[in-house]
Amino acid sequence: GEDVEQSLFLSVREGDSSVINCTYTDSSSTYLYWYKQEPGAGLQLLTYIFSNMDMKQDQRLTVLLNKKDKHLSLRIADTQTGDSAIYFCAENRGGYQKVTFGTGTKLQVIP
Amino acid sequence: NAGVTQTPKFQVLKTGQSMTLQCAQDMNHEYMSWYRQDPGMGLRLIHYSVGAGITDQGEVPNGYNVSRSTTEDFPLRLLSAAPSQTSVYFCASIGLAGGTSYNEQFFGPGTRLTVL
Repeated sequence: GEDVEQSLFLSVREGDSSVINCTYTDSSSTYLYWYKQEPGAGLQLLTYIFSNMDMKQDQRLTVLLNKKDKHLSLRIADTQTGDSAIYFCAENRGGYQKVTFGTGTKLQVIP
Repeated sequence: NAGVTQTPKFQVLKTGQSMTLQCAQDMNHEYMSWYRQDPGMGLRLIHYSVGAGITDQGEVPNGYNVSRSTTEDFPLRLLSAAPSQTSVYFCASIGLAGGTSYNEQFFGPGTRLTVL
């Protein structure tokens, strides 16, 4: 299909790990991204991974890429209340105008 | 740098009215785009521009016009608003020359539009 798919909602307790999953569509996508959207704000790039990598770690964030299954995940360690936001995955199918966004996963962190 | 700015933040229109959503960036970015965000549908590309004087259609262009007379500004025009255009609109930009290889998009804060 054409859609980048994500589950709509995830709830975790403060201090636990969060895992947000995404299934993308194009096996030839060059870059895959995770964007964060806080309430009332635009999207902000959180991290990205190049398609020839299978893992990227950046402080509390770990991105895993399974190209065979076209599956991308974002793990947030020691989740904090400030991590509450909507997280969008996106794939770059080649060209600035060919970035396709998922539907977004709303992460709720319970104190 | 202010980054990407959008005005207004909120707007209510009646069906058939016209209006222009403003977008400006001060990063000298060549690429600018407009998205709409609807519940359960992610972001969909409306129009984009790769430089002054050059625009093209995205995934959902119908009902919208754009122009790019300067590098900084990329207004989005609704000629005759319809309830189906109720949405949150985001403008974004990317620096092409000397930009990052991973093409980070910088987003404005959005305009929430309601068409009655």
